[in-house]
Amino acid sequence: GENVEQHPSTLSVQEGDSAVIKCTYSDSASNYFPWYKQELGKGPQLIIDIRSNVGEKKDQRIAVTLNKTAKHFSLHITETQPEDSAVYFCAAPNNAGNMLTFGGGTRLMVKP
Amino acid sequence: DVKVTQSSRYLVKRTGEKVFLECVQDMDHENMFWYRQDPGLGLRLIYFSYDVKMKEKGDIPEGYSVSREKKERFSLILESASTNQTSMYLCASTLQGKGSQHFGDGTRLSIL
Repeated sequence: GENVEQHPSTLSVQEGDSAVIKCTYSDSASNYFPWYKQELGKGPQLIIDIRSNVGEKKDQRIAVTLNKTAKHFSLHITETQPEDSAVYFCAAPNNAGNMLTFGGGTRLMVKP
Repeated sequence: DVKVTQSSRYLVKRTGEKVFLECVQDMDHENMFWYRQDPGLGLRLIYFSYDVKMKEKGDIPEGYSVSREKKERFSLILESASTNQTSMYLCASTLQGKGSQHFGDGTRLSIL
């Protein structure tokens, strides 16, 4: 099955700095990579995803990059704000595409 | 917007009790999932259902069962609760063939 590793487990940045979270996956057939943000007391919410036919995708201050050869993908948040503080999860699908394997999560703290 | 509703936000039960966690989604999604979330371990899949009365085991099914009698409702059952089942439980749903999952806000279950 798929194995997803995520680093770092905690990340503290100053407001306005950038934050980068990295994930690796094991199944080279995986073709869809979502990122979720979980705020305190809430369930995870999809914030951005990327399919394997592109190397990068941007949505305002958030971007995701994918390196299929190395089997890793990263989340980049620029100009961080206190409201970006949350737990972030990466995920990758199984072969059938109907189940996701999640990384262990990254707790991001943005200090004002 | 997709709404996934979990019946309880907090639940306290005793060892040996039979516990039911309920989840309802309102978007006619075929697939529904139950995860447990523990610090540092991310989200681990307990069970998954792709249709009414259909279920598949996830990574950690031991000590749990599920029921899907109607398309919109997916129940997680702890047959005889134990203290190591104290955790946050998250329900999710998705359309068949779509990777991104929509989550409920979770049930924090404590077994005393």
